[in-house]
Amino acid sequence: DQQVKQNSPSLSVQEGRISILNCDYTNSMFDYFLWYKKYPAEGPTFLISISSIKDKNEDGRFTVFLNKSAKHLSLHIVPSQPGDSAVYFCAAHLYPDKLIFGTGTRLQVFP
Amino acid sequence: GAVVSQHPSWVICKSGTSVKIECRSLDFQATTMFWYRQFPKQSLMLMATSNEGSKATYEQGVEKDKFLINHASLTLSTLTVTSAHPEDSSFYICSATLAAYPTRFQETQYFGPGTRLLVL
Repeated sequence: DQQVKQNSPSLSVQEGRISILNCDYTNSMFDYFLWYKKYPAEGPTFLISISSIKDKNEDGRFTVFLNKSAKHLSLHIVPSQPGDSAVYFCAAHLYPDKLIFGTGTRLQVFP
Repeated sequence: GAVVSQHPSWVICKSGTSVKIECRSLDFQATTMFWYRQFPKQSLMLMATSNEGSKATYEQGVEKDKFLINHASLTLSTLTVTSAHPEDSSFYICSATLAAYPTRFQETQYFGPGTRLLVL
């Protein structure tokens, strides 16, 4: 039972444009959500998070939006840069310390 | 920042042998460490949660006798894959939580770089 889903396995965006990565979840008990960036053969690195009581969190070029009624969150990267090319995982936190990961979206930013 | 290391980064072994993977928190004490497994093009799947000095809690479907976890100190957890078979070939990643960092709950888990296991 996949509680966190990323339905787009890949996304290709031109440099300078906006990248939008989507994530859907089913469990309303998740108390916050995180996005991780991962390069091949490396562990995930934390990017940005959002509490379940918020609907937006912004950090530089990265903004995460949460729509609780739709159980949907998205990560916006603007402007996209070639260095952003990686696999992005959405994760949902379940109290006290459990993280449930989505299947990831491979983002490729081309010049 | 909090750094988590894993050793080895790569291991190739024969079927039937046991492999030990170490996970260390280098600059902080971790009350809890987690072990994940990732198959190609799939999500990170939590295998088990380990707390220092106590038995690990395994996720449903993970064989505790096959994946032995020892969390002997606040900075070290080990995962031993016993009698490894080719289907155990995967990318194993550990993560660790800070002992006390309540204001930064967003980053409760710091991940290691992973260990690639190939069982021939």
